[in-house]
Amino acid sequence: AQKITQTQPGMFVQEKEAVTLDCTYDTSDPSYGLFWYKQPSSGEMIFLIYQGSYDQQNATEGRYSLNFQKARKSANLVISASQLGDSAMYFCAMREGYGGSQGNLIFGKGTKLSVKP
Amino acid sequence: NAGVTQTPKFRILKIGQSMTLQCTQDMNHNYMYWYRQDPGMGLKLIYYSVGAGITDKGEVPNGYNVSRSTTEDFPLRLELAAPSQTSVYFCASRHQGENTEAFFGQGTRLTVV
Repeated sequence: AQKITQTQPGMFVQEKEAVTLDCTYDTSDPSYGLFWYKQPSSGEMIFLIYQGSYDQQNATEGRYSLNFQKARKSANLVISASQLGDSAMYFCAMREGYGGSQGNLIFGKGTKLSVKP
Repeated sequence: NAGVTQTPKFRILKIGQSMTLQCTQDMNHNYMYWYRQDPGMGLKLIYYSVGAGITDKGEVPNGYNVSRSTTEDFPLRLELAAPSQTSVYFCASRHQGENTEAFFGQGTRLTVV
């Protein structure tokens, strides 16, 4: 079974509007971390935001916020006031506990966001 | 501060050839990783290392080998290249710790023909 599911292959948003990118995860480990990365057309992977499983509040980083609903196992990325430069692939990833996996990141398939002027 | 540096950026290999993808980081990170990204897919882990002299297989290790003789360097070796190894390869590193993000190199686009 997929551990990270991103159900939106592609999304469009109007410039200056907010957009939510969905991510659901599957784990039985009580300790885990959730990450979002941005991959522009140039190809590099850019870290955006992190949410720990024990964090009480939703993470925020500038225009990025993470809507963390632990019971529903979802960790949606919210981008406020979209800009043309936000057009990119966005990947949700999970790191499980500290056991044999040595904290490896498990990635979803990504969502391609296109911002329209 | 260079971060994670991968070389080469692009490479075309013929079937059966071998090559080494280089990765070096200057952040003194213990953990290093090699991922591959196939078109329209997320990243899949090939090999990882938790420190010099320690390496282990990830999800898709077949056809690859790694070594970690120093903290800084984590080369990925492809033996007998096959078309199925056509992909973009990313090296990453991070500090030990539960909430530390991974820093990625720029990627190597490899085509096997």
